[in-house]
Amino acid sequence: EAGVAQSPRYKIIEKRQSVAFWCNPISGHATLYWYQQILGQGPKLLIQFQNNGVVDDSQLPKDRFSAERLKGVDSTLKIQPAKLEDSAVYLCASSLIPNNEQFFGPGTRLTVL
Amino acid sequence: RKEVEQDPGPFNVPEGATVAFNCTYSNSASQSFFWYRQDCRKEPKLLMSVYSSGNEDGRFTAQLNRASQYISLLIRDSKLSDSATYLCAQAGTALIFGKGTTLSVSS
Repeated sequence: EAGVAQSPRYKIIEKRQSVAFWCNPISGHATLYWYQQILGQGPKLLIQFQNNGVVDDSQLPKDRFSAERLKGVDSTLKIQPAKLEDSAVYLCASSLIPNNEQFFGPGTRLTVL
Repeated sequence: RKEVEQDPGPFNVPEGATVAFNCTYSNSASQSFFWYRQDCRKEPKLLMSVYSSGNEDGRFTAQLNRASQYISLLIRDSKLSDSATYLCAQAGTALIFGKGTTLSVSS
């Protein structure tokens, strides 16, 4: 069974630029999550989708971050404009049942200069 | 938002040792807990799920103590390959992760 796919794996941008990340969850998983993991910290939930609807985006900095999952499968996360403190690994995860066992993709390592 | 606390370590143990990590949580209503393993520069991988008092899988045992609001992970007969960061997570309206505990197993 294919796991969660993410791209790109690495991205380096300058502050105030824009960046987008893509995620394809495990087939059949209706729930999709985007996390931010800063070095030395645990993953922090940014947004949770159930099919194509947002369940929880309370920790998403909505002035610069946006995410969508238009057809209930793939998802994109965008940052515009990026700040230095956005440097982190952005992890996508999916689960069959909300807030049950989650499976993570390899992540996108973002460096903002 | 409810918090999950872990001792960051590092825990340095020799091969063959038994080591235990604790994770305290604040949301007493939570029904599900998870232990993840994360290798350096890799994604977290699910190690164990804990839905009732505990779970066991080979050398790994997870225990849930609802009265004291903590879960523990016990690793018996440690291997070099067990060296990693272990994250605990509590399920509520979302998964809340601790910062992780680093384990280093040496020969």
